[in-house]
Amino acid sequence: KAGVTQTPRYLIKTRGQQVTLSCSPISGHRSVSWYQQTPGQGLQFLFEYFSETQRNKGNFPGRFSGRQFSNSRSEMNVSTLELGDSALYLCASSLGYRAEETQYFGPGTRLLVL
Amino acid sequence: AQSVTQLGSHVSVSEGALVLLRCNYSSSVPPYLFWYVQYPNQGLQLLLKYTTGATLVKGINGFEAEFKKSETSFHLTKPSAHMSDAAEYFCAVTPTGANNLFFGTGTRLTVIP
Repeated sequence: KAGVTQTPRYLIKTRGQQVTLSCSPISGHRSVSWYQQTPGQGLQFLFEYFSETQRNKGNFPGRFSGRQFSNSRSEMNVSTLELGDSALYLCASSLGYRAEETQYFGPGTRLLVL
Repeated sequence: AQSVTQLGSHVSVSEGALVLLRCNYSSSVPPYLFWYVQYPNQGLQLLLKYTTGATLVKGINGFEAEFKKSETSFHLTKPSAHMSDAAEYFCAVTPTGANNLFFGTGTRLTVIP
């Protein structure tokens, strides 16, 4: 089976712009989660989708949003970019949303905000 | 609330030596615990996880971890380090009823030839 894929892998934006990142989960996986990784804050949970519904959300401002499509693919959007949004954004998929399920991570999208 | 503490942001071992990466968790209920590894410019890969049952968990690449409830620990070990083990290792926990991972701050492992 193909793994989790994320596009694009690298992105450069300027402050004030918006960006959309895409994630395709492993075939058959219905849960998709997003994480932000920065040197200062480490790995932080953004949100989780299951069957097109947001089930869980981390402590991020409303500029961060996401959605999931009927084929389980997910997108996250960041509006009005700030310098501090520069990070590696990781997507993870799992079969369901139970706490013990393994999450499989994609390679990430590295976003640089100038 | 769940949280994870990883002692030692950097650990160096000689090739062939024991690897010990420490993880302590804080949870009001028995947690689900995970160890992930991240190689440069890559995503996270699951090494092993503890859910229920046997407290000694074996994972990939010769790693294992032991869940010790009395010590609230889940330390990761490998008997003999290999150069390819050089990476960053993250301990994580999931809260009851949800699968969002709370990660520790990570431990960067260096293997000295």
